[in-house]
Amino acid sequence: EDQVTQSPEALRLQEGESSSLNCSYTVSGLRGLFWYRQDPGKGPEFLFTLYSAGEEKEKERLKATLTKKESFLHITAPKPEDSATYLCAVQAPDTGNQFYFGTGTSLTVIP
Amino acid sequence: KAGVTQTPRYLIKTRGQQVTLSCSPISGHRSVSWYQQTPGQGLQFLFEYFSETQRNKGNFPGRFSGRQFSNSRSEMNVSTLELGDSALYLCASSPGGHTEAFFGQGTRLTVV
Repeated sequence: EDQVTQSPEALRLQEGESSSLNCSYTVSGLRGLFWYRQDPGKGPEFLFTLYSAGEEKEKERLKATLTKKESFLHITAPKPEDSATYLCAVQAPDTGNQFYFGTGTSLTVIP
Repeated sequence: KAGVTQTPRYLIKTRGQQVTLSCSPISGHRSVSWYQQTPGQGLQFLFEYFSETQRNKGNFPGRFSGRQFSNSRSEMNVSTLELGDSALYLCASSPGGHTEAFFGQGTRLTVV
């Protein structure tokens, strides 16, 4: 069964146009929810970790939030350099350090 | 602090051959995980090693194997390569608990 579902699959924004990416999960006993950014041909780059509902983290134009069933990555006034694929991953109990990844949201920011 | 280093960056192999990929984790990190990334399937977990022991394994055939050395460096081996094994193979390093992992740049394997 799917553990993590991300939407939308692709998103095109004008520079400065704020939006949100969604990550819904079905894991029981969530051990952590993680956001990564991936540029073409490169490995994922860590952005945020969230552990409990209500938690929020911010970094520059990005803000991640977590509820009991989903997480949002809010992008405020994006710039072209924010164009990338954003990946969400969760960790479940009794699976060591294994991450279950969503298929990502491909973000394009147009100047 | 040096990041995660994967070698080689690119490989081209022929169907039926075998291949070994290498990963040097961040200094002090004891957990190394391997993932396969393809356009159709996204990132799929292969296995995790912690202190030289395989702690968890994904749903891949036995042709995929790995090991970890006492210095935490890890290798992944794929035997009897198939065309479908063409992918980006990523190594992730973490201290070992339920914390974030840091990825290398990956090895792009092409099987012809």
